[in-house]
Amino acid sequence: GQNIDQPTEMTATEGAIVQINCTYQTSGFNGLFWYQQHAGEAPTFLSYNVLDGLEEKGRFSSFLSRSKGYSYLLLKELQMKDSASYLCAVRPNTGGFKTIFGAGTRLFVKA
Amino acid sequence: GAVVSQHPSWVICKSGTSVKIECRSLDFQATTMFWYRQFPKQSLMLMATSNEGSKATYEQGVEKDKFLINHASLTLSTLTVTSAHPEDSSFYICSARSPTGSNQPQHFGDGTRLSIL
Repeated sequence: GQNIDQPTEMTATEGAIVQINCTYQTSGFNGLFWYQQHAGEAPTFLSYNVLDGLEEKGRFSSFLSRSKGYSYLLLKELQMKDSASYLCAVRPNTGGFKTIFGAGTRLFVKA
Repeated sequence: GAVVSQHPSWVICKSGTSVKIECRSLDFQATTMFWYRQFPKQSLMLMATSNEGSKATYEQGVEKDKFLINHASLTLSTLTVTSAHPEDSSFYICSARSPTGSNQPQHFGDGTRLSIL
């Protein structure tokens, strides 16, 4: 079966760094995505990892270890607007480019 | 700008009504689109994969006669919630994947908030 785990909630301070972890067990692996979703809105794409290692994009970085079934999203220089849910999503090797989403981590950034 | 357009944004209707939601890819042709449902504070649950020119593939537990999907063209998929009841009230989101490359993310529509009275 497919299983994606990430913490339910996290709180961090403006200007700090926060790491959101994700572990997954899927039928094969064709890539891992991180999305940001503000309340009442659709998700927006943040990052994609298919090979092991770190992908950096501005204040956001994402890491992947395929052997451990593990990824994290790193947010630096946190801003109040970063308060949102962060969804870890995996594309299993089932064809059709279907993507399975984790339950999301709600991040609260406080002043 | 938006690459996937979803309409309508909000629907409030009486129990027993059928509701149609449209999802359009604006900048590319999408042979595959996806329909998700999201309850408050919960994750996106994949309902079905919409395939252009063929039948949709439904996830386990999703009633195909309740949630009718039509993907008649390369830029349009529709989801019809038939005889909607209050328990169908949810946030419905469609997505489409740009066909160029397996690393392309899904682009999401803005979602449709459905409230059945």
